[in-house]
Amino acid sequence: DTGVSQDPRHKITKRGQNVTFRCDPISEHNRLYWYRQTLGQGPEFLTYFQNEAQLEKSRLLSDRFSAERPKGSFSTLEIQRTEQGDSAMYLCASSLGFRDGNQPQHFGDGTRLSIL
Amino acid sequence: GESVGLHLPTLSVQEGDNSIINCAYSNSASDYFIWYKQESGKGPQFIIDIRSNMDKRQGQRVTVLLNKTVKHLSLQIAATQPGDSAVYFCAENKSGANNLFFGTGTRLTVIP
Repeated sequence: DTGVSQDPRHKITKRGQNVTFRCDPISEHNRLYWYRQTLGQGPEFLTYFQNEAQLEKSRLLSDRFSAERPKGSFSTLEIQRTEQGDSAMYLCASSLGFRDGNQPQHFGDGTRLSIL
Repeated sequence: GESVGLHLPTLSVQEGDNSIINCAYSNSASDYFIWYKQESGKGPQFIIDIRSNMDKRQGQRVTVLLNKTVKHLSLQIAATQPGDSAVYFCAENKSGANNLFFGTGTRLTVIP
């Protein structure tokens, strides 16, 4: 399967700890996105990369959140000093980017974060 | 403001019947729309997309209709099967924007 891969699938941690998630996009996709999804809601955009450049960040992405895509391939999302409100599913998506027109974003199965 | 909403939070259909899931959007600048299917514990799975220069697009057992006049999007699933049971999201993308805006979803339940 060459879809979007996320690791770990589940993470349980105590409040105040740091956590890091990894996303491996579809290999030929140059665009990578992070979303957050809470129960019963649709995904909410967090941030977007084109190749290694982080081009857009949502207001949802507080100072405790940082994302990287160092070589334009896999990406990591780190949350420092986790809070109860950070409990959610963190989804990664990737797409091909063209100058004209949008292309569908393909999602991984997410990392479910639970803060104790 | 921008919003993508769904008319019905739940929908139950008999196996073999056709399903129609509706979605309203408010941003007239949106020019790209996607339907996703999400099963429990999994990420959203791409079903079909449509651009604003079209009003209908067909896939395998699915059809998406776009009515820009009333800012309405629908997903039609033909001969609904138990495996179609899931939450369905519509998402919109403004021209030039990179992120998708999602609604809250409709849960489709197929009754055998």
